Amino acid sequence: NAGVTQTPKFRILKIGQSMTLQCTQDMNHNYMYWYRQDPGMGLKLIYYSVGAGITDKGEVPNGYNVSRSTTEDFPLRLELAAPSQTSVYFCASSYGAEAFFGQGTRLTVV
Amino acid sequence: QQPVQSPQAVILREGEDAVINCSSSKALYSVHWYRQKHGEAPVFLMILLKGGEQKGHEKISASFNEKKQQSSLYLTASQLSYSGTYFCGTGYNAGNMLTFGGGTRLMVKP
Repeated sequence: NAGVTQTPKFRILKIGQSMTLQCTQDMNHNYMYWYRQDPGMGLKLIYYSVGAGITDKGEVPNGYNVSRSTTEDFPLRLELAAPSQTSVYFCASSYGAEAFFGQGTRLTVV
Repeated sequence: QQPVQSPQAVILREGEDAVINCSSSKALYSVHWYRQKHGEAPVFLMILLKGGEQKGHEKISASFNEKKQQSSLYLTASQLSYSGTYFCGTGYNAGNMLTFGGGTRLMVKP
């Protein structure tokens, strides 16, 4: 049972480039989330989904987009990367109270 | 609005106790506690729902004071493995959306 899998683990982007962070879960959870964590800070919710085909904005959605075509996958798209998007990105899924987090993607924009 | 955690950091000797507080300016429905070790993903510890119920997990327990909109995490007889950053996530309705505090860094020394 893999849980929540994120790829890639590390990535360096140049300003203005775009990329997709992949997230897959094999627990059949309806809820999925994308968070960003800046150094020494807490988690900020970017987008979330309550099921396939349904997504909504969190606290800090600007500069990001998501889609949820299947229960398993919840990719996060960064368009026109900016240095302010340098962060660690966590994907999570939940069914009830407990959220399961992936191992994170460390993104640096230079 | 982000919940406020206190203290921001605490250093303990093995066997000592600690209390971490999480306060909200809005009426709480639930409080979720997570622990994150350096370079790793957050791991769920416990959830408390409004009603003042106290929960326990090994030597870690928590309470929820509905009147004060505050939760406290109690770590007793701390072990080296307790080191990490503790986050509270607050929920304001029955949905699964959480707003996380800034974290409390806990270091347990031998």
